[in-house]
Amino acid sequence: QVQLVQSGAEVKKPGASVKVSCEASGYSFTSYVLHWVRQAPGQRLEWMGWIFTDSGDIRYSQRFQDRITITRDTSASTTYMELRSLRSEDTALYFCAREKMGGAWDYWGQGTLVIVSS
Amino acid sequence: QTVVTQEPSLTVSPGGTVTLTCASSTGPVTTGYHTNWFQKKPGQAPRTLIYSTSNKHSWTPARFSGSLLGGKSALTLSGVRPEDEADYYCLLYSSDGWVFGGGTKLTVL
Repeated sequence: QVQLVQSGAEVKKPGASVKVSCEASGYSFTSYVLHWVRQAPGQRLEWMGWIFTDSGDIRYSQRFQDRITITRDTSASTTYMELRSLRSEDTALYFCAREKMGGAWDYWGQGTLVIVSS
Repeated sequence: QTVVTQEPSLTVSPGGTVTLTCASSTGPVTTGYHTNWFQKKPGQAPRTLIYSTSNKHSWTPARFSGSLLGGKSALTLSGVRPEDEADYYCLLYSSDGWVFGGGTKLTVL
């Protein structure tokens, strides 16, 4: 069965970086786009960026453009999201999610809690 | 920057019908926006209900349906159950990439 399994919770200090992983299984990794989405406490879901897992092409939301990097390791069927220069407002649940090209989102990871606190 | 607007909250009685809408600041929503709808409960990952405006996944209950209505995307719940109480988010594809709506808090009362 399709699974997206994310890395565990992180606690970071302001100004630090965090790298969250999302390991896919149960399907052909390079046949789907993977997205990163976050939800801060009491806030809406927020799209952060995508990676085309076959070509490695990436697009980021303008809001995170300057401090986000999304990568993938096809040999490990894993995508990574690194967010730099963390501030308290980055405290959120971070999710990966899968899309079949053409707009069909389906499966989600379980979420990774990132807490930014001094 | 594209802004996507949903009703902040709606209330429906068990067994009733309710329609949630999703509007884009750039103009009428069409199939080209590839609307997806998600159900979100506290402490859980979002669950995708509808993709590409009106298509259901194998796990989507039959009482959920997606459509275009008056220039907006719409999610209709028919025969609402208590477990449908949740936040519902739409997601549109635009020139800015993917953009989520602000979410609708659905109360079943």
